[in-house]
Amino acid sequence: AQSVAQPEDQVNVAEGNPLTVKCTYSVSGNPYLFWYVQYPNRGLQFLLKYITGDNLVKGSYGFEAEFNKSQTSFHLKKPSALVSDSALYFCAVRDLNSGNTPLVFGKGTRLSVIA
Amino acid sequence: GAGVSQTPSNKVTEKGKYVELRCDPISGHTALYWYRQSLGQGPEFLIYFQGTGAADDSGLPNDRFFAVRPEGSVSTLKIQRTERGDSAVYLCASSSSVSSYNEQFFGPGTRLTVL
Repeated sequence: AQSVAQPEDQVNVAEGNPLTVKCTYSVSGNPYLFWYVQYPNRGLQFLLKYITGDNLVKGSYGFEAEFNKSQTSFHLKKPSALVSDSALYFCAVRDLNSGNTPLVFGKGTRLSVIA
Repeated sequence: GAGVSQTPSNKVTEKGKYVELRCDPISGHTALYWYRQSLGQGPEFLIYFQGTGAADDSGLPNDRFFAVRPEGSVSTLKIQRTERGDSAVYLCASSSSVSSYNEQFFGPGTRLTVL
Protein backbone atom coordinates (compact mmCIF):
# COMPACT_ATOMS: atom_id res chain seq x y z
CA ALA A 1 0.00 0.00 0.00
CA GLN A 2 1.10 3.51 -0.69
CA SER A 3 1.52 6.14 2.01
CA VAL A 4 2.81 9.67 2.46
CA ALA A 5 4.12 11.33 5.58
CA GLN A 6 4.39 15.05 6.12
CA PRO A 7 6.09 15.22 9.51
CA GLU A 8 5.45 18.90 10.18
CA ASP A 9 1.95 20.24 10.80
CA GLN A 10 3.22 23.82 10.62
CA VAL A 11 6.25 25.54 9.14
CA ASN A 12 7.04 29.17 9.92
CA VAL A 13 9.55 31.14 7.88
CA ALA A 14 10.46 34.81 7.52
CA GLU A 15 9.81 36.48 4.20
CA GLY A 16 12.87 36.31 1.97
CA ASN A 17 14.28 33.24 3.68
CA PRO A 18 14.43 29.82 2.02
CA LEU A 19 11.68 27.39 2.86
CA THR A 20 11.45 23.60 2.96
CA VAL A 21 8.31 21.51 3.42
CA LYS A 22 9.12 17.87 4.05
CA CYS A 23 7.56 14.78 2.53
CA THR A 24 8.46 11.10 2.67
CA TYR A 25 6.65 8.34 0.84
CA SER A 26 6.25 4.59 0.68
CA VAL A 27 5.30 2.62 -2.44
CA SER A 28 6.02 -0.91 -3.55
CA GLY A 29 6.94 0.11 -7.09
CA ASN A 30 8.13 3.31 -8.72
CA PRO A 31 6.66 6.50 -7.30
CA TYR A 32 4.86 9.25 -9.11
CA LEU A 33 4.99 12.26 -6.77
CA PHE A 34 3.05 15.52 -6.60
CA TRP A 35 2.84 18.69 -4.61
CA TYR A 36 -0.44 20.60 -4.37
CA VAL A 37 -1.23 23.87 -2.58
CA GLN A 38 -4.55 24.83 -1.02
CA TYR A 39 -5.53 28.41 -0.29
CA PRO A 40 -8.50 29.18 2.01
CA ASN A 41 -11.84 28.28 0.40
CA ARG A 42 -10.09 27.22 -2.78
CA GLY A 43 -9.47 23.85 -4.37
CA LEU A 44 -6.13 22.13 -4.53
CA GLN A 45 -3.80 23.68 -7.09
CA PHE A 46 -1.13 21.62 -8.80
CA LEU A 47 2.44 22.83 -8.17
CA LEU A 48 4.74 20.19 -9.62
CA LYS A 49 5.25 16.50 -10.25
CA TYR A 50 8.03 13.94 -10.53
CA ILE A 51 7.83 10.90 -12.80
CA THR A 52 11.36 10.06 -13.91
CA GLY A 53 14.50 11.89 -14.94
CA ASP A 54 16.16 14.80 -13.20
CA ASN A 55 15.76 14.55 -9.45
CA LEU A 56 15.22 18.31 -9.14
CA VAL A 57 11.80 19.28 -10.43
CA LYS A 58 10.78 22.90 -11.00
CA GLY A 59 7.16 23.97 -10.71
CA SER A 60 4.82 26.91 -10.43
CA TYR A 61 5.44 30.11 -8.43
CA GLY A 62 9.18 29.47 -8.06
CA PHE A 63 8.77 26.21 -6.15
CA GLU A 64 10.93 23.17 -6.72
CA ALA A 65 11.19 19.72 -5.21
CA GLU A 66 13.99 17.23 -4.92
CA PHE A 67 13.39 13.52 -5.35
CA ASN A 68 15.68 11.37 -3.22
CA LYS A 69 15.17 7.68 -3.84
CA SER A 70 17.48 6.43 -1.09
CA GLN A 71 15.70 8.54 1.52
CA THR A 72 12.27 8.09 -0.10
CA SER A 73 11.76 11.82 0.17
CA PHE A 74 10.33 14.55 -2.02
CA HIS A 75 10.82 17.80 -0.12
CA LEU A 76 9.34 21.03 -1.46
CA LYS A 77 11.63 24.05 -1.54
CA LYS A 78 11.73 27.70 -2.49
CA PRO A 79 14.83 29.90 -2.32
CA SER A 80 13.02 33.02 -1.11
CA ALA A 81 9.62 32.86 0.58
CA LEU A 82 6.82 35.35 -0.02
CA VAL A 83 3.98 36.23 2.35
CA SER A 84 1.62 35.13 -0.43
CA ASP A 85 3.07 31.60 -0.20
CA SER A 86 1.25 31.14 3.10
CA ALA A 87 -1.12 28.23 2.52
CA LEU A 88 -1.66 24.51 3.12
CA TYR A 89 0.65 22.21 1.16
CA PHE A 90 -0.04 18.58 0.32
CA CYS A 91 2.32 15.92 -0.94
CA ALA A 92 0.78 13.00 -2.84
CA VAL A 93 2.01 9.74 -4.32
CA ARG A 94 0.85 7.24 -6.87
CA ASP A 95 2.47 3.87 -7.60
CA LEU A 96 3.33 3.81 -11.30
CA ASN A 97 3.51 0.02 -11.29
CA SER A 98 0.07 -0.60 -9.80
CA GLY A 99 -2.06 0.57 -12.66
CA ASN A 100 -4.61 3.32 -12.21
CA THR A 101 -4.47 3.72 -8.48
CA PRO A 102 -5.78 6.90 -6.91
CA LEU A 103 -3.57 9.58 -5.39
CA VAL A 104 -2.66 9.10 -1.75
CA PHE A 105 -2.19 12.39 0.08
CA GLY A 106 -0.31 13.38 3.19
CA LYS A 107 -2.18 15.20 5.92
CA GLY A 108 -0.77 18.55 4.85
CA THR A 109 1.64 21.15 6.17
CA ARG A 110 0.57 24.69 6.91
CA LEU A 111 3.16 27.19 5.75
CA SER A 112 3.17 30.61 7.37
CA VAL A 113 5.47 33.25 5.89
CA ILE A 114 5.95 36.18 8.21
CA ALA A 115 6.73 39.66 6.88
CA GLY B 1 -10.85 27.79 -19.92
CA ALA B 2 -13.24 26.83 -17.14
CA GLY B 3 -11.94 24.65 -14.38
CA VAL B 4 -13.70 22.00 -12.33
CA SER B 5 -16.82 23.37 -10.70
CA GLN B 6 -18.78 21.97 -7.77
CA THR B 7 -22.20 22.82 -6.44
CA PRO B 8 -23.31 23.71 -3.90
CA SER B 9 -20.29 25.32 -2.27
CA ASN B 10 -21.85 24.74 1.14
CA LYS B 11 -24.54 22.34 2.26
CA VAL B 12 -26.02 22.13 5.73
CA THR B 13 -28.36 19.25 6.42
CA GLU B 14 -29.84 17.36 9.31
CA LYS B 15 -28.85 13.89 10.40
CA GLY B 16 -30.74 11.27 8.46
CA LYS B 17 -31.37 13.40 5.36
CA TYR B 18 -30.33 12.67 1.79
CA VAL B 19 -27.89 14.94 -0.07
CA GLU B 20 -26.55 15.23 -3.60
CA LEU B 21 -23.28 16.92 -4.49
CA ARG B 22 -22.54 17.84 -8.09
CA CYS B 23 -19.29 18.02 -10.01
CA ASP B 24 -18.72 19.53 -13.46
CA PRO B 25 -15.32 18.41 -14.75
CA ILE B 26 -13.12 20.21 -17.24
CA SER B 27 -14.58 19.75 -20.70
CA GLY B 28 -13.12 16.71 -22.44
CA HIS B 29 -11.67 15.14 -19.31
CA THR B 30 -12.57 11.48 -19.27
CA ALA B 31 -11.43 10.65 -15.74
CA LEU B 32 -13.27 12.02 -12.71
CA TYR B 33 -12.40 11.51 -9.05
CA TRP B 34 -14.16 12.15 -5.75
CA TYR B 35 -12.21 12.73 -2.55
CA ARG B 36 -13.25 13.60 0.99
CA GLN B 37 -11.22 15.96 3.15
CA SER B 38 -11.86 16.02 6.88
CA LEU B 39 -10.57 18.81 9.08
CA GLY B 40 -6.82 18.63 9.52
CA GLN B 41 -6.43 15.79 7.04
CA GLY B 42 -5.43 15.37 3.44
CA PRO B 43 -7.95 14.35 0.80
CA GLU B 44 -9.00 10.70 0.92
CA PHE B 45 -10.03 8.86 -2.20
CA LEU B 46 -13.66 7.80 -2.57
CA ILE B 47 -14.30 6.76 -6.17
CA TYR B 48 -13.19 7.38 -9.71
CA PHE B 49 -14.84 7.15 -13.11
CA GLN B 50 -13.41 6.51 -16.51
CA GLY B 51 -16.17 7.69 -18.81
CA THR B 52 -19.54 6.62 -17.45
CA GLY B 53 -18.39 3.65 -15.42
CA ALA B 54 -17.01 3.59 -11.90
CA ALA B 55 -13.55 2.10 -12.38
CA ASP B 56 -12.71 1.99 -8.68
CA ASP B 57 -15.14 2.59 -5.81
CA SER B 58 -13.00 1.02 -3.11
CA GLY B 59 -12.82 4.27 -1.14
CA LEU B 60 -16.54 4.62 -0.53
CA PRO B 61 -16.94 4.20 3.24
CA ASN B 62 -20.23 2.26 3.18
CA ASP B 63 -23.35 1.66 1.13
CA ARG B 64 -24.88 5.00 2.08
CA PHE B 65 -22.52 6.58 -0.44
CA PHE B 66 -23.11 6.28 -4.16
CA ALA B 67 -21.93 8.19 -7.22
CA VAL B 68 -23.03 8.34 -10.83
CA ARG B 69 -21.79 9.82 -14.07
CA PRO B 70 -24.51 8.87 -16.57
CA GLU B 71 -23.25 10.75 -19.62
CA GLY B 72 -19.55 10.68 -18.92
CA SER B 73 -19.37 14.34 -17.92
CA VAL B 74 -21.18 15.66 -14.83
CA SER B 75 -21.05 13.46 -11.75
CA THR B 76 -23.25 13.38 -8.68
CA LEU B 77 -22.19 12.04 -5.30
CA LYS B 78 -25.18 10.87 -3.30
CA ILE B 79 -25.25 10.30 0.42
CA GLN B 80 -28.23 8.63 2.08
CA ARG B 81 -29.18 8.83 5.76
CA THR B 82 -26.44 11.33 6.50
CA GLU B 83 -24.54 11.09 9.76
CA ARG B 84 -22.59 13.74 11.65
CA GLY B 85 -19.38 11.90 10.75
CA ASP B 86 -20.07 12.62 7.07
CA SER B 87 -19.31 16.30 7.69
CA ALA B 88 -16.30 17.17 5.53
CA VAL B 89 -15.25 18.94 2.36
CA TYR B 90 -15.99 16.82 -0.69
CA LEU B 91 -13.56 17.43 -3.52
CA CYS B 92 -13.93 16.53 -7.15
CA ALA B 93 -11.04 16.30 -9.61
CA SER B 94 -10.72 15.50 -13.28
CA SER B 95 -7.89 14.54 -15.61
CA SER B 96 -7.60 14.04 -19.33
CA SER B 97 -7.29 10.27 -18.86
CA VAL B 98 -6.58 7.79 -16.12
CA SER B 99 -2.97 7.58 -17.22
CA SER B 100 -0.66 7.70 -14.26
CA TYR B 101 1.18 10.58 -15.92
CA ASN B 102 -1.70 13.05 -15.94
CA GLU B 103 -2.19 15.39 -13.03
CA GLN B 104 -5.62 15.87 -11.55
CA PHE B 105 -7.31 19.26 -11.51
CA PHE B 106 -9.43 19.94 -8.44
CA GLY B 107 -12.64 21.86 -7.90
CA PRO B 108 -13.17 24.18 -4.92
CA GLY B 109 -15.09 21.55 -3.01
CA THR B 110 -18.47 21.29 -1.30
CA ARG B 111 -18.44 21.78 2.45
CA LEU B 112 -21.03 19.42 3.93
CA THR B 113 -22.20 19.97 7.49
CA VAL B 114 -24.51 17.42 9.08
CA LEU B 115 -26.20 18.71 12.20
